Amino acid sequence: QKEVEQDPGPLSVPEGAIVSLNCTYSNSAFQYFMWYRQYSRKGPELLMYTYSSGNKEDGRFTAQVDKSSKYISLFIRDSQPSDSATYLCAMSEASGGSYIPTFGRGTSLIVHP
Amino acid sequence: EAGVAQSPRYKIIEKRQSVAFWCNPISGHATLYWYQQILGQGPKLLIQFQNNGVVDDSQLPKDRFSAERLKGVDSTLKIQPAKLEDSAVYLCASSLVVRVNEQFFGPGTRLTVL
Repeated sequence: QKEVEQDPGPLSVPEGAIVSLNCTYSNSAFQYFMWYRQYSRKGPELLMYTYSSGNKEDGRFTAQVDKSSKYISLFIRDSQPSDSATYLCAMSEASGGSYIPTFGRGTSLIVHP
Repeated sequence: EAGVAQSPRYKIIEKRQSVAFWCNPISGHATLYWYQQILGQGPKLLIQFQNNGVVDDSQLPKDRFSAERLKGVDSTLKIQPAKLEDSAVYLCASSLVVRVNEQFFGPGTRLTVL
């Protein structure tokens, strides 16, 4: 079993839909949870990160962490064609002073007009 | 603010050849990372530098991969000799300090080993 599991998709939705992207993990020591967006032939770009459990909102994006279920989600409201990309979840411990993230394989999202 | 620069963007080599990648991090960023991203997978850390010292190279295949960061700024990653399974995108990232979760990634170098 991989430490971080993420469905690769693709997930295809119409413009304006609410998108839900999810990851599960097995390492209970993970404390930091990140979402990156990666456009084709580009490097990942950090969208949001949260510490421990709870919700965080930034514009059209909402990140949720449920540590009891080892499950994290990213919601995108009013999705746009420009949101079409691969979304990577990443998680890290906070031990030893290093915050090296463990990435999921990414979910490919396609928002069609 | 200029982003992380990498070159070349693409490289095609034969197996057993050598290849080198270059990275220039964001100005003032003390921490630099090299990741390998195989098609369909998430990035995997190869090596992490804090200034010009190595913090973590536990996942670097040291029999064929080497990396250096002279003067605590630019960095090079070398593969010698390359294998078919080294075909991947090599991403460089930087952050202000080691104890932060915000890493800024470069566009990557896409390596194809034939």
